[in-house]
Amino acid sequence: DAGITQSPRYKITETGRQVTLMCHQTWSHSYMFWYRQDLGHGLRLIYYSAAADITDKGEVPDGYVVSRSKTENFPLTLESATRSQTSVYFCASTVRQGATYEQYFGPGTRLTVT
Amino acid sequence: QKEVEQNSGPLSVPEGAIASLNCTYSDRGSQSFFWYRQYSGKSPELIMFIYSNGDKEDGRFTAQLNKASQYVSLLIRDSQPSDSATYLCAVGQRDTDKLIFGTGTRLQVFP
Repeated sequence: DAGITQSPRYKITETGRQVTLMCHQTWSHSYMFWYRQDLGHGLRLIYYSAAADITDKGEVPDGYVVSRSKTENFPLTLESATRSQTSVYFCASTVRQGATYEQYFGPGTRLTVT
Repeated sequence: QKEVEQNSGPLSVPEGAIASLNCTYSDRGSQSFFWYRQYSGKSPELIMFIYSNGDKEDGRFTAQLNKASQYVSLLIRDSQPSDSATYLCAVGQRDTDKLIFGTGTRLQVFP
């Protein structure tokens, strides 16, 4: 099935551990994004990618690393998890074709750092 | 700091009424404006986007943009209980997908 998937859906980890959140899309959309959503802050952009091997920082990139070796995958790594990184993480992909714009979000990963 | 402001709500409207959701933004250079619906525990879903001043209609939804007043709104006609959700406003520069989101307005449509 076409779509955008995230794994794991739920993760509990300890402070200081490295954690990787996976994102996979089947449409070959060029743009992909990682957001975190916290109460009182809404959605905040962590990193985004315009194409394979092209990534850029968003609003809150500190403590996160991304890579994009293939168009369909955009993993997000927390190098040394902290409690402040407890959040719901959403991956998204977009495509623009003329006046049309499509954006789809994955189901989210709920991460708890203890 | 570029900001997008929304009233957190809840906004309560009766079934069949028009729900009006509002959003203001601080960056005068903003050129793309988006509305999302997010059900509790689910991911956001893009409802509409608008680039030009004026109104844009799609079914029961109408987005209204006033760049001079730095104001964008979403009207939902004939509101249904299934419209009960949080509505997120997002703003960005044209031709870039780096969006700034508001914190959302919770809409409750009661039968």
